[in-house]
Amino acid sequence: GDSVTQMEGPVTLSEEAFLTINCTYTATGYPSLFWYVQYPGEGLQLLLKATKADDKGSNKGFEATYRKETTSFHLEKGSVQVSDSAVYFCALSPSINDMRFGAGTRLTVKP
Amino acid sequence: GAGVSQSPRYKVAKRGQDVALRCDPISGHVSLFWYQQALGQGPEFLTYFQNEAQLDKSGLPSDRFFAERPEGSVSTLKIQRTQQEDSAVYLCASSFDASSYNEQFFGPGTRLTVL
Repeated sequence: GDSVTQMEGPVTLSEEAFLTINCTYTATGYPSLFWYVQYPGEGLQLLLKATKADDKGSNKGFEATYRKETTSFHLEKGSVQVSDSAVYFCALSPSINDMRFGAGTRLTVKP
Repeated sequence: GAGVSQSPRYKVAKRGQDVALRCDPISGHVSLFWYQQALGQGPEFLTYFQNEAQLDKSGLPSDRFFAERPEGSVSTLKIQRTQQEDSAVYLCASSFDASSYNEQFFGPGTRLTVL
């Protein structure tokens, strides 16, 4: 069935480093793709999304591009901050009200 | 309220006990979802409501799991005769509408530990 596979963590970076968290997907159709973030002690929050091939989602300095040719939706940020420390989940939605999550990648940013 | 709330935040149950987990969605949100998140894993879909109607319960792992949303607002997830494998964080999410894709807003979750 449709699913996502994301880079295993944990990932530890120094402040201002470049971040990439890889996510690839398997789907029979044309799903929407998402990145959710979970800060310590909080619920999951939508970070960004893309609904069709070549769309770029962006928010808070994070970006991800929906690449159909490589079935990928990698999350990137040019300069991470300590406040970006969280768990990041890649997700796929093959249809409305059907959301499938990856296992999550824990990011720790050190000052 | 400002967001989705869940109660209790933590629940410890002895194996065989019944538990009830509550979700208060954002006011006016039509759709409500329950997910189960095992340690170190992403959330997995359990069930979905549109108003009071349970439209999809394909993710419920066994007939010990039951969910309801009788008035189309608050929802309760009930687990009967809990087992150790039921230990997980149970997440509730709501979204405004079901007619097109809408962002799901998540609550903080209820961490269930079955001893």
